Amino acid sequence: NAGVTQTPKFRVLKTGQSMTLLCAQDMNHEYMYWYRQDPGMGLRLIHYSVGEGTTAKGEVPDGYNVSRLKKQNFLLGLESAAPSQTSVYFCASSGRLAGGLSSYNEQFFGPGTRLTVL
Amino acid sequence: LAKTTQPISMDSYEGQEVNITCSHNNIATNDYITWYQQFPSQGPRFIIQGYKTKVTNEVASLFIPADRKSSTLSLPRVSLSDTAVYYCLVGGPAGNKLTFGGGTRVLVKP
Repeated sequence: NAGVTQTPKFRVLKTGQSMTLLCAQDMNHEYMYWYRQDPGMGLRLIHYSVGEGTTAKGEVPDGYNVSRLKKQNFLLGLESAAPSQTSVYFCASSGRLAGGLSSYNEQFFGPGTRLTVL
Repeated sequence: LAKTTQPISMDSYEGQEVNITCSHNNIATNDYITWYQQFPSQGPRFIIQGYKTKVTNEVASLFIPADRKSSTLSLPRVSLSDTAVYYCLVGGPAGNKLTFGGGTRVLVKP
């Protein structure tokens, strides 16, 4: 049981380049989230998904797109990277486990992707 | 969105109890209160969650007064390994209601 995994762990882009961050979870969770964390700051929600095929905007969605074609995967895309998008990106998932032992609000986080845009 | 306010930082010593208070004046009826711990270069990790009164698990206690406008995370007998940033999270099942506070940086000294 790997939990939440993120690919890649590090990436350097030039301004204007595009890339996709992949998040995968093996806990059969309904909800998945993408956050960004700037140095010394808290986490800010970019986009989230409440189920396969559905996505919604969070607090800071501009410049990002997401897709959830499969329940276990949540992709975050940057179409034209900007230096302001330099950050650490965390993916998380949550859901009610069998037996109702876990609340929706308990999120399990991946190890993060450190992105630098030059 | 339920906005949260926490102290920016606090220092403590090994073996002491650490209490961190989070204010969430506009918490909604369906909102839960959840605390996370984050070490450098790692994703946050769930500590404890509650809705009202007191909740205790093997690592912490969470105190929530009747009006639910604040909550206090209590870490008993901290050790050096408890040095981390602690986040107060208020929200419900819908993703757009999840709000991380600014976090409290706790430094445990020997």
